[in-house]
Amino acid sequence: GQQLNQSPQSMFIQEGEDVSMNCTSSSIFNTWLWYKQDPGEGPVLLIALYKAGELTSNGRLTAQFGITRKDSFLNISASIPSDVGIYFCAGQVTGTASKLTFGTGTRLQVTL
Amino acid sequence: NAGVTQTPKFRILKIGQSMTLQCTQDMNHNYMYWYRQDPGMGLKLIYYSVGAGITDKGEVPNGYNVSRSTTEDFPLRLELAAPSQTSVYFCAGALAGGRDTQYFGPGTRLTVL
Repeated sequence: GQQLNQSPQSMFIQEGEDVSMNCTSSSIFNTWLWYKQDPGEGPVLLIALYKAGELTSNGRLTAQFGITRKDSFLNISASIPSDVGIYFCAGQVTGTASKLTFGTGTRLQVTL
Repeated sequence: NAGVTQTPKFRILKIGQSMTLQCTQDMNHNYMYWYRQDPGMGLKLIYYSVGAGITDKGEVPNGYNVSRSTTEDFPLRLELAAPSQTSVYFCAGALAGGRDTQYFGPGTRLTVL
């Protein structure tokens, strides 16, 4: 089965730095989603993107839906310790019972 | 609303044992899903349901069964547990129509020895 390619696999950054991660697919998606997973918890939705080229922000998070519909990007500005966790991208095709295809995840560590 | 709840939180099984992972939601979700997450990996879809009485296989259904007798409940059954089923299992729900965002439960960590 398909999984989306997500990079980087892990990042170690200092508090206050900006973070960028991306997700690529061999097939087109109609919706791109970004989730965050804290240790021992289920994924929580951060940002949803519904249109090619769309740029959406949620506080310090900004995500973009790639023009080709085969990629998406997530940026976190001015990172803080609570940003630690695993970030997953997910793609969704319209009319498929809202099933999601997940990326492999980016593990983010923030040092003080 | 409690959202999506899962029980148990942890479980250890012996090879060949059976068990049911429970999932309940109180958000009127039409759609429900079961995923498994192996260490260092993303989530993979096991089974899903678009409404009571309707279920379908996902990407990795072998060794599992589901039922959806009510809108609220979507249990996942392991009949003959195998070490390869050691994983963290997540249940999720979504509303049909609209933008169908999936909401996840807290997960069940299962170890098969």
